[in-house]
Amino acid sequence: KNEVEQSPQNLTAQEGEFITINCSYSVGISALHWLQQHPGGGIVSLFMLSSGKKKHGRLIATINIQEKHSSLHITASHPRDSAVYICAAGAADGLTFGKGTHLIIQP
Amino acid sequence: EAGVAQSPRYKIIEKRQSVAFWCNPISGHATLYWYQQILGQGPKLLIQFQNNGVVDDSQLPKDRFSAERLKGVDSTLKIQPAKLEDSAVYLCASSLVTSTGELFFGEGSRLTVL
Repeated sequence: KNEVEQSPQNLTAQEGEFITINCSYSVGISALHWLQQHPGGGIVSLFMLSSGKKKHGRLIATINIQEKHSSLHITASHPRDSAVYICAAGAADGLTFGKGTHLIIQP
Repeated sequence: EAGVAQSPRYKIIEKRQSVAFWCNPISGHATLYWYQQILGQGPKLLIQFQNNGVVDDSQLPKDRFSAERLKGVDSTLKIQPAKLEDSAVYLCASSLVTSTGELFFGEGSRLTVL
């Protein structure tokens, strides 16, 4: 079964900083999902990628299939980016979730 | 396009009582998931349906949890009897295709067991 590790578990940064959240997985996958969960809120899908890089606004997700590693970057971070970011690896046996990275952006 | 609908949003019960959660996925989505998310942890899969068939229920505590998806559309998750450790948010998600499909989550149903 796939094992998904995220780092860091907790991250506090100042507004405007460049943020990187990492995700590594142990078994080959068909797709890697990045999800965002605000406190008390539901989960929103940010990206689903199987190769290369995707960009949406200030968010960028990259994946290296050979190294079994993905990163989520936030440029010009803002307090509204404060949330839990979760990666999930999709393989033939289903989805495996990381424990999440709790991000706080201070004004 | 309507999103994934879940109800109730909040439920408080005493231990040993029963509770049921309902989920209506996005129209046309064949795959439906129920996840349990305990505070501070990532979601844990309870059960995955493909249409009205069960794909994976290996982590469903079958002595107290049950789920069904009649007619391959909406689904119910039941807990009977509830335990204190069942306090969590129960998330329903759907996707057009399994594993490679984009996930759409409902708002979740927060259960507190006293």
